[in-house]
Amino acid sequence: EPEVTQTPSHQVTQMGQEVILRCVPISNHLYFYWYRQILGQKVEFLVSFYNNEISEKSEIFDDQFSVERPDGSNFTLKIRSTKLEDSAMYFCASSRGGVNEKLFFGSGTQLSVL
Amino acid sequence: SQQGEEDPQALSIQEGENATMNCSYKTSINNLQWYRQNSGRGLVHLILIRSNEREKHSGRLRVTLDTSKKSSSLLITASRAADTASYFCANTQGGSEKLVFGKGTKLTVNP
Repeated sequence: EPEVTQTPSHQVTQMGQEVILRCVPISNHLYFYWYRQILGQKVEFLVSFYNNEISEKSEIFDDQFSVERPDGSNFTLKIRSTKLEDSAMYFCASSRGGVNEKLFFGSGTQLSVL
Repeated sequence: SQQGEEDPQALSIQEGENATMNCSYKTSINNLQWYRQNSGRGLVHLILIRSNEREKHSGRLRVTLDTSKKSSSLLITASRAADTASYFCANTQGGSEKLVFGKGTKLTVNP
């Protein structure tokens, strides 16, 4: 079965640094998402992306966050100035037909902000 | 809130037994989905049930949805040690592109 791939699997950064988390969604999918999971807590929605623009974002997704689909295959999440509370597992997901079909999730990037 | 809440938070059973996990939510939904997460890994979609459906099967999985009670259940029959994982329900509402997840049920199947 096709997979969503995420790199890196682990990222350690200093507070205030910029990080870019990378994802390669499934090739014929049109909807792309970022979610995060702080240790021991729920999986939380960050942002959805369709037709080269953000279609919905949560209150977590403030001005420090941005997403980009720079070419036909990659989908990135940038955090401009990381905070301690950004430490979490970040999951990329994609779907062929949106959230009313199944989402395919990547294995995640564990971000640790020191 | 449309958040799903799973019950129980943790469940430990013997191989071969059935496992039932429940999920409740608070608002009208479009669909409800169940996902599985092995420790430290990504989420794997198990089954999607739409708001106009009452029951759905996939292999050893059976999902029910009761929209009048705003609840769903996931039944895993004849459990195996490999079923050990956390199971999450998630729902969508209206025109939102957001999947809202519950806290999950941690299932341990003992060999």
